[in-house]
Amino acid sequence: QVQLVQSGAEVKKPGASVKVSCKASGYTFTTLDLHWVRQAPGQGLEWMGWMNPNSGNTGYAQKFQGRVILTRDTSISTAYMELSSLTSADTAVYYCVRGRGAVACLDSWGQGTLLTVSS
Amino acid sequence: DIQMTQSPSTLSASVGDRVTITCRASQSVSRWLAWFQQKPGKAPKLLIYQASSLEIGVPSRFSGSGSGTEFTLTISSLQPDDFAVYYCQQYYGFPYTFGQGTKLEIK
Repeated sequence: QVQLVQSGAEVKKPGASVKVSCKASGYTFTTLDLHWVRQAPGQGLEWMGWMNPNSGNTGYAQKFQGRVILTRDTSISTAYMELSSLTSADTAVYYCVRGRGAVACLDSWGQGTLLTVSS
Repeated sequence: DIQMTQSPSTLSASVGDRVTITCRASQSVSRWLAWFQQKPGKAPKLLIYQASSLEIGVPSRFSGSGSGTEFTLTISSLQPDDFAVYYCQQYYGFPYTFGQGTKLEIK
């Protein structure tokens, strides 16, 4: 079955960077896009960006342009989300999500990674 | 960006009730609309895609309808497991956007 397993919780200071990993299994990693969505405590869902694991092409929400980088290592079926210049507003659960289909429906979600930004 | 607005924000209902949640888009998203269920501390779960297609494994009491700018999620007979937060999401264009959520509470 499809599984997306993310790295563990992180605590970072303001101004720092974080890199979250997402290991895919149960399907061919390079055939479907991966998206990243975050959820601040008690808040709704916010889409951050997407990556084509085959080509490495990416797209980002304007809000995160210049601050987020999506990468991948196809040899280990793992995607990465790096977010820099952290502030307390970045405290949230970050999810990697598989996009299914030519018009990508978000069908399978990782378990989430809690990022806490605090001085 | 396409704005997604759900109503109501909170819905109180009883086991066995039929409930409907509405989602409106600020511009047409054709049928590229999904519904998710989220329980506390868990990742969202896909229920409906392409406005009305039931995801594999999702009970048939869930159904979706609509196209363009107005969509609904209906639960035909509420079960105890259905009390959760529900989100709609458009994937017509980037950036993907979500509704603010509807919390379904036990009356």
